[in-house]
Amino acid sequence: DQQVKQNSPSLSVQEGRISILNCDYTNSMFDYFLWYKKYPAEGPTFLISISSIKDKNEDGRFTVFLNKSAKHLSLHIVPSQPGDSAVYFCAARNNAGNNRKLIWGLGTSLAVNP
Amino acid sequence: NAGVTQTPKFQVLKTGQSMTLQCAQDMNHNSMYWYRQDPGMGLRLIYYSASEGTTDKGEVPNGYNVSRLNKREFSLRLESAAPSQTSVYFCASSPQGVWQPQHFGDGTRLSIL
Repeated sequence: DQQVKQNSPSLSVQEGRISILNCDYTNSMFDYFLWYKKYPAEGPTFLISISSIKDKNEDGRFTVFLNKSAKHLSLHIVPSQPGDSAVYFCAARNNAGNNRKLIWGLGTSLAVNP
Repeated sequence: NAGVTQTPKFQVLKTGQSMTLQCAQDMNHNSMYWYRQDPGMGLRLIYYSASEGTTDKGEVPNGYNVSRLNKREFSLRLESAAPSQTSVYFCASSPQGVWQPQHFGDGTRLSIL
């Protein structure tokens, strides 16, 4: 039972265009969300995060939007660059009780074409 | 600027053999983690150490043991390897507090025959 779902396994975008990666979650106790990027044969790298008290966080070309009522967040990359081609993971923090942990999505593979 | 270093990068074991995966971080982080990544399963937490001297089970601890040797080092041991433990293992660390953004090593690809 996936509590954090990245429903698109892959996404292909032209260089310079916007990339939108989506993530849905089921648990209303999640209070903090993170995006990681992963290149082949490397570990994930932290990209950007957002607290549940906010609906938007921006860092350069990367913006994360959070819609709590829909239990949905998205990562926007503008403009997309070939170096952004990687697998992107969404993760959510469950801060409830004694069972605090990060729940990870399965990832979306982004290909940015020159 | 090493960050999180994992050794070895690759290993092939036979069923029943034991081995220890090593992890060291040079960022003076308090918390360290071990994950495994399997196709279709995402990243799953095996064990974590919130601070030096403490360790706790994650989602999938069975078949593994850990040691937080000091603030820098956190090792993962497979006492009797099983084919189901074939996976890519990632070590991570975070500055303070268990659930801050984590810095990952490049992984150990482990195959058990």
